Amino acid sequence: DGGITQSPKYLFRKEGQNVTLSCEQNLNHDAMYWYRQDPGQGLRLIYYSQIVNDFQKGDIAEGYSVSREKKESFPLTVTSAQKNPTAFYLCASSARDDGGEKLFFGSGTQLSVL
Amino acid sequence: AQKVTQAQTEISVVEKEDVTLDCVYETRDTTYYLFWYKQPPSGELVFLIRRNSFDEQNEISGRYSWNFQKSTSSFNFTITASQVVDSAVYFCALSEANTGFQKLVFGTGTRLLVSP
Repeated sequence: DGGITQSPKYLFRKEGQNVTLSCEQNLNHDAMYWYRQDPGQGLRLIYYSQIVNDFQKGDIAEGYSVSREKKESFPLTVTSAQKNPTAFYLCASSARDDGGEKLFFGSGTQLSVL
Repeated sequence: AQKVTQAQTEISVVEKEDVTLDCVYETRDTTYYLFWYKQPPSGELVFLIRRNSFDEQNEISGRYSWNFQKSTSSFNFTITASQVVDSAVYFCALSEANTGFQKLVFGTGTRLLVSP
């Protein structure tokens, strides 16, 4: 089955620690995205990538970093600079990035601070 | 600037009732796309519908229907004869076509609880 796989489902971060959230897709999509979801809020864009080896900051990129070394993979690192990392993180992909393309989402990673 | 407002935070209905989820949007562009996504308890968002700004025809898909009205900047979603499986958070989203990439702006979501 084609789709997006996020891991782990639950992740705990200690103070001062960097953690990495995995996102893999086998849909052969060029564009990939990371969103953050807080309770009672909509999704906010952290980073996006239109092609391999290229990525752009979204609306709330501070404290996060990404890489796009392979088309299938778009990992997100939550650094110690992100002071309020507790949230639900969703990865998504789309075939194109022209605005009208629907997104396919993974099942998310819940990150909590110990 | 783009904005999507879903004023209903939570709606509770009994099975078989009809329910309408409201969505009001703001954009300066004449070309844009509107979306509805469903987020079941499992967490992933599931695409329901996409509508471009030039197509104001209402759409029906089974028990789901959508009413797009540019005059009131609304894109409302109706579920007819609701079922327990419809319980989820529903997000309305807007994308402007000329941003050069898919930047979706989401509303805050409406949680729908359908009781048996």
